[in-house]
Amino acid sequence: AQKVTQAQTEISVVEKEDVTLDCVYETRDTTYYLFWYKQPPSGELVFLIRRNSFDEQNEISGRYSWNFQKSTSSFNFTITASQVVDSAVYFCALSGHTSGYSTLTFGKGTMLLVSP
Amino acid sequence: NAGVMQNPRHLVRRRGQEARLRCSPVKGHSHVYWYRQLPEEGLKFMVYLQKENIIDESGMPKERFSAEFPKEGPSILRIQQVVRGDSAAYFCASSPKGTVDLSGNTIYFGEGSWLTVV
Repeated sequence: AQKVTQAQTEISVVEKEDVTLDCVYETRDTTYYLFWYKQPPSGELVFLIRRNSFDEQNEISGRYSWNFQKSTSSFNFTITASQVVDSAVYFCALSGHTSGYSTLTFGKGTMLLVSP
Repeated sequence: NAGVMQNPRHLVRRRGQEARLRCSPVKGHSHVYWYRQLPEEGLKFMVYLQKENIIDESGMPKERFSAEFPKEGPSILRIQQVVRGDSAAYFCASSPKGTVDLSGNTIYFGEGSWLTVV
């Protein structure tokens, strides 16, 4: 069975602070994909990143960066110099070989509140 | 959010009524997935369909819920005799094929349909 744990239910920061959202996963698949999605107050799901299990290279995209560590089964997400527009619920998700990669297992999400 | 259209965006039903949620996938996509997001929860997989076939319905409640993806027209998620616990956001996603490939994100989500049962 697959499981994604986002232990932080809610994080509050002040604008320009850096913030890291944690994601820990469990899977028996040797090949899998990890995702991060953003859900702003308007409700839609916005895709942020997908990483496959063979690629442990960290990735940076503007103010966003992701740290994938297979040894600790973690895929953490850092926002540098946070902005009010970053306020949203962030979901980490996993898809594995067993499911044909087509179905996602989501964590419960972390609500990020960025105040001015 | 590359073109998956869901309607209605918001739906209010009284207990015992039926709810029908529609999903038009990205043009050319033949794989559709439905997820449910209960309040304060993450999304949970419900069902995976291809045209005219249910591939995986392991996340679908056994009673009152059904889904279809006909040869023509949108995918429909149908909830009969709704109860308060069915109040949730229902997300549809689509992909061009049933496996994630290496060219990028191939699973596109719609904006969701919010069902409120009163």
